[in-house]
Amino acid sequence: EVQLVESGGDLVQPGGSLRLSCATSGFILSDFFMDWVRQAPERGLEWVARSRTKAHGHTTEYRASVKGRFTISRDESQNQLHLQMNSLQTDDTAVYYCVRGYNGLDVWGQGTTVIVSS
Amino acid sequence: DIQMTQSPSSLSASVGDRVTITCRASHDVGTALTWFQQKPGEAPKSLIYDASRLQTGVPSRFSGSGSGTDFTLTIGSLQPEDFATYYCQHYVGFPFTFGPGTKVDVK
Repeated sequence: EVQLVESGGDLVQPGGSLRLSCATSGFILSDFFMDWVRQAPERGLEWVARSRTKAHGHTTEYRASVKGRFTISRDESQNQLHLQMNSLQTDDTAVYYCVRGYNGLDVWGQGTTVIVSS
Repeated sequence: DIQMTQSPSSLSASVGDRVTITCRASHDVGTALTWFQQKPGEAPKSLIYDASRLQTGVPSRFSGSGSGTDFTLTIGSLQPEDFATYYCQHYVGFPFTFGPGTKVDVK
């Protein structure tokens, strides 16, 4: 069974940093694109970042509002996806989902909550 | 960015009803369109990809159609477990964007 389990969400002050992790199982991480998607009540669902496979150069994509602040990465030896978030802003407050980027966005984790507040 | 709109924003229906939700993209997305179902406190669940292809394990009462800018999600006969919020999303290019959602509740 394909499973994605996020961790690392927390309460952090504006300007702070946080690293989210996603433990993957039930499939070969190196064969799949992976994404982070977030959901805040006032902004709905927002795609955040994509990590492509080695065959696609391990390239990445980001939404404009997080580019330069967030970094998506993968550790295929540990079957993990990460999202390093720096210079956090109050607008980054959301539930963050780890998502497999196959046939659209086919499998979602349960989410981890990030709250940016002083 | 491509803007996604959905209509209606909410609807009330009864078990057994046929339900149709529409999604419109501000630019041509071809068939790079997916539909999700989300229940309160849960993660979204993918139902349809490539506008009309059913994800594995999704009941056949769900169907999708459309291409270009206009899309439809149809629930053939609404079941009790189908009361939820439904979202469309394009993946033709970055950033992927989602519709605002259509809430289906009990009449």
